[in-house]
Amino acid sequence: SAVISQKPSRDICQRGTSLTIQCQVDSQVTMMFWYRQQPGQSLTLIATANQGSEATYESGFVIDKFPISRPNLTFSTLTVSNMSPEDSSIYLCSVVRDTEAFFGQGTRLTVV
Amino acid sequence: AQSVTQLGSHVSVSEGALVLLRCNYSSSVPPYLFWYVQYPNQGLQLLLKYTSAATLVKGINGFEAEFKKSETSFHLTKPSAHMSDAAEYFCAVSDQPGNTGKLIFGQGTTLQVKP
Repeated sequence: SAVISQKPSRDICQRGTSLTIQCQVDSQVTMMFWYRQQPGQSLTLIATANQGSEATYESGFVIDKFPISRPNLTFSTLTVSNMSPEDSSIYLCSVVRDTEAFFGQGTRLTVV
Repeated sequence: AQSVTQLGSHVSVSEGALVLLRCNYSSSVPPYLFWYVQYPNQGLQLLLKYTSAATLVKGINGFEAEFKKSETSFHLTKPSAHMSDAAEYFCAVSDQPGNTGKLIFGQGTTLQVKP
């Protein structure tokens, strides 16, 4: 299994500001994944974070809006920039072990 | 392109009754398929996975699913529902065996269990 810690667990932010979400894994992994779950919706992959290279973003997501850092093999951050109420979602970090994806508890973001 | 369709956004069963949650997928290559459960205000937990081995897959909490290539389906079943099964269930697909972190999720099915 994998133990994934996300911080913060929730936050309420003003529009126009930015929030950085941290994800810490209990052991080294090559790839880390960031997902978004909008209210009442399913999960959508935002990007894949690799250590030592730029993140790979999925269609509809851009680096200027969701910059990602991956300074080492156990840690990653996702920043939600210039937030608007439409960014209100749960953001989840994920890693894979033995073909199984493990997810953090998520960060519940509300933008007001 | 891959896609996943879960038929029925809400399913309601009585306690002790059969649970059937439907999932159909589309993939141009042999897929890896997963069922996840999400309890209120919690993260996702893997119930079971199909990775091209046995077509009938048994998971945790008494759940199982059968991969049917001819029907492109991976329906989730449990013979007898328990109140604690009430949750959101997601079917997911990956067509990259070397990168199963890149998942396409279905829309989710909310399971209600009535006493």
